[in-house]
Amino acid sequence: SQQGEEDPQALSIQEGENATMNCSYKTSINNLQWYRQNSGRGLVHLILIRSNEREKHSGRLRVTLDTSKKSSSLLITASRAADTASYFCATEWDSSYKLIFGSGTRLLVRP
Amino acid sequence: EPEVTQTPSHQVTQMGQEVILRCVPISNHLYFYWYRQILGQKVEFLVSFYNNEISEKSEIFDDQFSVERPDGSNFTLKIRSTKLEDSAMYFCARGGTGGAFNGYTFGSGTRLTVV
Repeated sequence: SQQGEEDPQALSIQEGENATMNCSYKTSINNLQWYRQNSGRGLVHLILIRSNEREKHSGRLRVTLDTSKKSSSLLITASRAADTASYFCATEWDSSYKLIFGSGTRLLVRP
Repeated sequence: EPEVTQTPSHQVTQMGQEVILRCVPISNHLYFYWYRQILGQKVEFLVSFYNNEISEKSEIFDDQFSVERPDGSNFTLKIRSTKLEDSAMYFCARGGTGGAFNGYTFGSGTRLTVV
């Protein structure tokens, strides 16, 4: 099946440091998206990168996509305690309008 | 854009009972989705709904599940006879508007607990 798998599963950093999360997938995609989920809450869309794009920025977020390696990374710069959450990558296939989620990375930013 | 609102936020039900989860309001969108997340696990696709019909469904979405858009705005997920393993967070989502797609908008979820 085409799942996004992320690593690390958990990441603990100090406030102000950068956090990098990686995502791998298995088949051709139309786009890859990153979502954030605070504990017990809903999913918030962060950023979408299309298959023909290699890098995208949004505020303190930087996403890269390498379709040859079927991988993506999410970089959060200058992290804040409020960034503490779970981060999920999700892929949308070429032929299907649905998201397949990865298992997520739990990020803890220590103040 | 208006948020996707789900009701109830938390529902406890007896095993074997029927539950209806609601997603409101919905307007001017073509694609709607239900996803679920069992505690501590990944978010799983259940069903997509396009132009008032099921577009795609997963293996999870068996005969116990159904979706409707009864009055053109609300979007509901019904589980006919709940099982313990149906306990999860259920998320409604909508696709982007018009021709530009910029990601899905998820509701805050309904936590279903089957006892």
